[in-house]
Amino acid sequence: NAGVTQTPKFRVLKTGQSMTLLCAQDMNHEYMYWYRQDPGMGLRLIHYSVGEGTTAKGEVPDGYNVSRLKKQNFLLGLESAAPSQTSVYFCASSPDRGGYTFGSGTRLTVV
Amino acid sequence: GNSVTQMEGPVTLSEEAFLTINCTYTATGYPSLFWYVQYPGEGLQLLLKATKADDKGSNKGFEATYRKETTSFHLEKGSVQVSDSAVYFCALSRAGGTSYGKLTFGQGTILTVHP
Repeated sequence: NAGVTQTPKFRVLKTGQSMTLLCAQDMNHEYMYWYRQDPGMGLRLIHYSVGEGTTAKGEVPDGYNVSRLKKQNFLLGLESAAPSQTSVYFCASSPDRGGYTFGSGTRLTVV
Repeated sequence: GNSVTQMEGPVTLSEEAFLTINCTYTATGYPSLFWYVQYPGEGLQLLLKATKADDKGSNKGFEATYRKETTSFHLEKGSVQVSDSAVYFCALSRAGGTSYGKLTFGQGTILTVHP
């Protein structure tokens, strides 16, 4: 089925560890986004990409890095995880303004 | 900057009750407005949208009208079902070439419908 696939679905990290979250879309969308969802705060944009090889900072980029080496993939990296990065992470892709398709999320706990 | 404010939840209703979830926004220009729904354990799904003033978005019995004069986009449904229990997010996308489709979300409203 066409859509956005996120891996892994769950992960527990120790403070200071690193990890990469993978987002893959098969709809040939130009735009891709990483959001984090925290209780009472809605979704906040971490980083986004408007095309292969491009990335840009969103609202809450500190502590995260991203890469988009291939159009279909958007990677989110945590170099040194902190408890404040405990959250649910959503990837989304869009061909244009607002036509989002979301992944099912990655629940990350940093202890 | 852009912002979206939703009524605080949680909202608890009985089946067949009328639903209103308020949403107001602050934005420059003429944003597009959206309602997304998130069922337990899933990602967000687009419920409805409106792209200009006075447009009415509708889907699955839900409706919302883009009111520029009151900067509002309230979500309504005449008769809710247990299956409507979910988290509802209001969001906007600013117009303009540099927006790149970025969405600004409200904080979400939890809806629980009891039989």
